[in-house]
Order: sequence, then C-alpha cells, then structure tokens
Amino acid sequence: QKEVEQNSGPLSVPEGAIASLNCTYSDRGSQSFFWYRQYSGKSPELIMSIYSNGDKEDGRFTAQLNKASQYVSLLIRDSQPSDSATYLCAVIRNFGNEKLTFGTGTRLTIIP
Amino acid sequence: DADVTQTPRNRITKTGKRIMLECSQTKGHDRMYWYRQDPGLGLRLIYYSFDVKDINKGEISDGYSVSRQAQAKFSLSLESAIPNQTALYFCATRDDRVSTEAFFGQGTRLTVV
Repeated sequence: QKEVEQNSGPLSVPEGAIASLNCTYSDRGSQSFFWYRQYSGKSPELIMSIYSNGDKEDGRFTAQLNKASQYVSLLIRDSQPSDSATYLCAVIRNFGNEKLTFGTGTRLTIIP
Repeated sequence: DADVTQTPRNRITKTGKRIMLECSQTKGHDRMYWYRQDPGLGLRLIYYSFDVKDINKGEISDGYSVSRQAQAKFSLSLESAIPNQTALYFCATRDDRVSTEAFFGQGTRLTVV
C-alpha cells in the first residue's frame, strides 16, 4: 500500500465549475497535510496546508481533512484556466519522523 | 536570488560517470530533502537530513549518496550514473520551528545517456 495515494487523472473540469481533488494516506500518525500545485517543468508551490479535522478555506481553495477516514481533499471553486496543473498531496508525520511523502499527483485541466 | 538554489539546472552525462547535484539554501532551515520526479510517479524521496549529523534514507536511495556539508548545503551524488536515473531532481527545505511548509529549488534535469 502506498503511503499517499491520489487519482492520477487527468481530471477535466469546465471553467467556472468546482474541481475536487482527493488523497488518502496510510499512516494514522500523520499530523500535517499539504496540497502543492506544479506546472509542467516547474517546482511545486504550496497551495494549502491543514493540520486539524474539518475545512480550511483560502480564497477559491478549500482543504478538507478527515483523520478518522485518513482522507484529505482540495476543492477549487470558480475554476480558471490558470488552475490547470498537477496537484500533489503531501503528508508528514512530525514528532520525530519528518519524512515528507508525496502522492503521485492529479493532473487537472480546466476547459474554457 | 532564490532561497533554495540547485546547481546545475540541466546536465547530460554518460553511463558510468560520477555526478554531483548541489543544493544550497539561505532560509536557515535545518531540514533538507532530495526528491526525484518521473512522469506519472510524483515526487519520490531519495534522502533527507535533519542536520549535518543526521542523514536518512528515503524510499529510493539505492544508487545515490548524499553529503550535508553544512546546514545550508546538501549534495546528492550518483556514483555511477545509469540511464534509469534520468529524471528531474528537486531539493527542498523546511524548518519545523517556524512552519511545516517545504520550499523547493528550481530543479535539476539530469539525462544519463
């Protein structure tokens, strides 16, 4: 079982719609969760971080965490063509085991 | 100037050659990481380090070695490069005392022919 799993996509969403990206993780001791956006050939850049159960909103982005289900998601509202990228889910355990592990990424395409 | 700098940015090398990829940071972070990225495989962890005396293997360390020369420098070596090590390599840093966010270098595109 992979430590962090994502649907590789591609996921196609019409412009203006909501894009929903999902991620599951295997280590119940994980404490910190991140969503990174990566354009082709570029470095990943942080979009959202979340540490406690529930929702966290930042502009058009909402991260959702459910530790009981070992599930974290990212919603992008009012999707724009510039949101077309690969989205990487990342997990870290903290407290002595700080291996930062990434999923394989979901490629998102926003259709104008 | 970038906070996390990788050199070289691009490199073509021959099979069997030794090659070193370098990473330096000005953020003062203690944690440093090396990843490789292949199409469809996300970022896979090669090695990570918490300080100059602490080096840890990641999930794909075979064929690679690292050196943490100082808090600000973390080098990745391929002792004898092989074609399946052709990939995009990223260095990342973070400091758990400030935030758990990781900051990435620009990447090194390595081709082994």
